[in-house]
Amino acid sequence: DAGITQSPRHKVTETGTPVTLRCHQTENHRYMYWYRQDPGHGLRLIHYSYGVKDTDKGEVSDGYSVSRSKTEDFLLTLESATSSQTSVYFCAISESRGRGTDTQYFGPGTRLTVL
Amino acid sequence: ELKVEQNPLFLSMQEGKNYTIYCNYSTTSDRLYWYRQDPGKSLESLFVLLSNGAVKQEGRLMASLDTKARLSTLHITAAVHDLSATYFCAVGAQGGSEKLVFGKGTKLTVNP
Repeated sequence: DAGITQSPRHKVTETGTPVTLRCHQTENHRYMYWYRQDPGHGLRLIHYSYGVKDTDKGEVSDGYSVSRSKTEDFLLTLESATSSQTSVYFCAISESRGRGTDTQYFGPGTRLTVL
Repeated sequence: ELKVEQNPLFLSMQEGKNYTIYCNYSTTSDRLYWYRQDPGKSLESLFVLLSNGAVKQEGRLMASLDTKARLSTLHITAAVHDLSATYFCAVGAQGGSEKLVFGKGTKLTVNP
């Protein structure tokens, strides 16, 4: 299995509080991704990174920011959590060989509940 | 905008039977992936399909890709209970982007 960890694995927070989720990889892969999974929606891309300090938006990026200061760490921040951000968050990694053909490998997920 | 549609969303079948899950997508793509997810778990990669006519097989699962029809199928042969899971297809956005668009998933239940 790809070496991907996510922390925390579970979190309950209140509306309006900031939340940061961490993804850590030991594979030295270039690409890292944050997805959210909700019933009836499958997985939707929030943000992704193609290198240190290089990030881009996905389809559901509003209300989220990301940072990548080291190859191995990709942080997802909810500046002011809302109940609509209650979800399961997955981090993924891939090592593109230039044509985007590589598989994305997923972390164990973080279950976030915003009350 | 790339859209991915899976059918059916729910599938209940008996052990020993065959069935097919369909994945349609709306725009040209150069890669398609199939994943499996067990309840409460992460996603596990099953297949990567990169060209028209590609066929991959692993055990009782076989995936194929028809890029002209923008269609991939995941065929299940002689289903067993252990195949019960949710199956997702994911399609790569064109233009060298690393973005994937996922279908909503097919929840498969195999009954004894």
